[in-house]
Amino acid sequence: EPEVTQTPSHQVTQMGQEVILRCVPISNHLYFYWYRQILGQKVEFLVSFYNNEISEKSEIFDDQFSVERPDGSNFTLKIRSTKLEDSAMYFCASSEMSPTGKDEKLFFGSGTQLSVL
Amino acid sequence: AQSVAQPEDQVNVAEGNPLTVKCTYSVSGNPYLFWYVQYPNRGLQFLLKYITGDNLVKGSYGFEAEFNKSQTSFHLKKPSALVSDSALYFCAVSDHYGNNRLAFGKGNQVVVIP
Repeated sequence: EPEVTQTPSHQVTQMGQEVILRCVPISNHLYFYWYRQILGQKVEFLVSFYNNEISEKSEIFDDQFSVERPDGSNFTLKIRSTKLEDSAMYFCASSEMSPTGKDEKLFFGSGTQLSVL
Repeated sequence: AQSVAQPEDQVNVAEGNPLTVKCTYSVSGNPYLFWYVQYPNRGLQFLLKYITGDNLVKGSYGFEAEFNKSQTSFHLKKPSALVSDSALYFCAVSDHYGNNRLAFGKGNQVVVIP
């Protein structure tokens, strides 16, 4: 079965540094997402992306965050200047357009654990 | 705003016994409800969803869930648990079918004891 792949699996960075988390969605999928889970808390929606632009974003997704699909296969999340509270597991997901025109179930990657020191 | 609550951090069950993982939700409009499962070192995998219609929804690996509007619940069930069902289970809700902006719970660790 096709999978969403995320790299790296673990990323350690210093506060204030920029990080880029990388994802390769399933090839025929059209919708892309980032979610995150801070340790002990709920999985939170960050952003959705379709047709090369952001569809929706949460209040967490401030100016420090950006997403990009640079080459038609990768989907990246950039955090410009990391803060301690950005430490979390970041999940990438993708979904395909169903015949009803609705994007159906999500396919998730196994996540990148980001630790900001 | 939409949210879900998964009240138990961990559910322990003996192999062969029925398994129930609880979820209650809060949403302003019609709820669209989902269960996802995460096995070690893997991404979350879709198990089942409730959109409309029959309150009992059947999904992958023998799981089912019952939508109860009056109790705002969507509990996940399996009649006979297997050791391989040991995993992290996430309930999620959306108030807008198809946008996949889901509100997840914290997740429940299920441990099936041989």
